[in-house]
Amino acid sequence: EAGVAQSPRYKIIEKRQSVAFWCNPISGHATLYWYQQILGQGPKLLIQFQNNGVVDDSQLPKDRFSAERLKGVDSTLKIQPAKLEDSAVYLCASSLAFGHGELFFGEGSRLTVL
Amino acid sequence: EDKVVQSPLSLVVHEGDTVTLNCSYEVTNFRSLLWYKQEKKAPTFLFMLTSSGIEKKSGRLSSILDKKELFSILNITATQTGDSAVYLCAAWGNNNDMRFGAGTRLTVKP
Repeated sequence: EAGVAQSPRYKIIEKRQSVAFWCNPISGHATLYWYQQILGQGPKLLIQFQNNGVVDDSQLPKDRFSAERLKGVDSTLKIQPAKLEDSAVYLCASSLAFGHGELFFGEGSRLTVL
Repeated sequence: EDKVVQSPLSLVVHEGDTVTLNCSYEVTNFRSLLWYKQEKKAPTFLFMLTSSGIEKKSGRLSSILDKKELFSILNITATQTGDSAVYLCAAWGNNNDMRFGAGTRLTVKP
């Protein structure tokens, strides 16, 4: 079974530039999550989708972050404009069930903002 | 606000030692607690605990949940260098989101 795919694995940009990350969840998983993991901290939920609808985006900094999941499959997370404090690993995860059970994580996209 | 707190934040042991990692939680509408192992990549699933007092085991790793005292422990016996990683504890709570602790960084020296 193919896992959660993410790209790019690494990205270095300067502050005020924009960046986009892509995620393809495990086939059949209706729920998709984007987490931000700053060095030395646990993952923090940014946004959660159920199919192509947003379930929770309360912790997404909406002035600069946006995410979409068109057609209820793959998803894109965008940051525009980036700030220094956005340097982190962006983890995408998917799950079969909503609100319980195991999350399956991708390898992550490491962003460095200079 | 929901929170998950892990301790210690870091731990250094020698091969063969036994370690205990702690996780306490305050989560509204708690449903389950999960442990993940994170090396230099994606977190990988270890255990999911939903019932108090029932130990889950996988090889040298075991975990148990206490829903009355709101904590869980992860035990690793006869540690090996390959056990070196960050161990994350997470709980399903309100808003159907999985809340993570900061992790315990375990270093096992030869």
